Amino acid sequence: GAVVSQHPSRVICKSGTSVKIECRSLDFQATTMFWYRQFPKQSLMLMATSNEGSKATYEQGVEKDKFLINHASLTLSTLTVTSAHPEDSSFYICSLMTPADTQYFGPGTRLTVL
Amino acid sequence: GQNIDQPTEMTATEGAIVQINCTYQTSGFNGLFWYQQHAGEAPTFLSYNVLDGLEEKGRFSSFLSRSKGYSYLLLKELQMKDSASYLCAVPYGGATNKLIFGTGTLLAVQP
Repeated sequence: GAVVSQHPSRVICKSGTSVKIECRSLDFQATTMFWYRQFPKQSLMLMATSNEGSKATYEQGVEKDKFLINHASLTLSTLTVTSAHPEDSSFYICSLMTPADTQYFGPGTRLTVL
Repeated sequence: GQNIDQPTEMTATEGAIVQINCTYQTSGFNGLFWYQQHAGEAPTFLSYNVLDGLEEKGRFSSFLSRSKGYSYLLLKELQMKDSASYLCAVPYGGATNKLIFGTGTLLAVQP
């Protein structure tokens, strides 16, 4: 399988600030990465598809100006939560897809907005 | 559209066998995934079925029936560490293979 890392693993921030989450593919060049969000006791919900060298594709209901995605290289995608509010507190998880059409997930980032 | 149903919770005894069911409705089928997720952690890949039948992988097996829109994950010789959520997921969106997840089945393994 593929190895995916995320940084930071946990972040606490004040309301109104912006937070950047990094997702790295350590052993695989990923042209496509995915960003998910998971609220407590709920399943993963896809937020957006991150495409290397082009704009991300957002799912319905996800604000692209609030959740900025940059996939600048084949091994790095970043998600920036701008002007975070308490309702943005969640578990954010990235994944990448291998040629075998299998998705491997990063360890996740727990965001808490005070 | 896409829809996935799983039982919310299940309880089983250490050493026993448990079957976690998943039914799905999807426009166009491109396989079905099972993931395991421990509390506070990201999901880990368990299996991918694209053809009908049973695929065995150690203590875990996964079954698929495309005609019935049905899959199950079979866990044998249950261990305490198997207590986790088990997520059924199907790709959608054509070539992008975005995944839609079921709500997950929280399995509690008791001594």
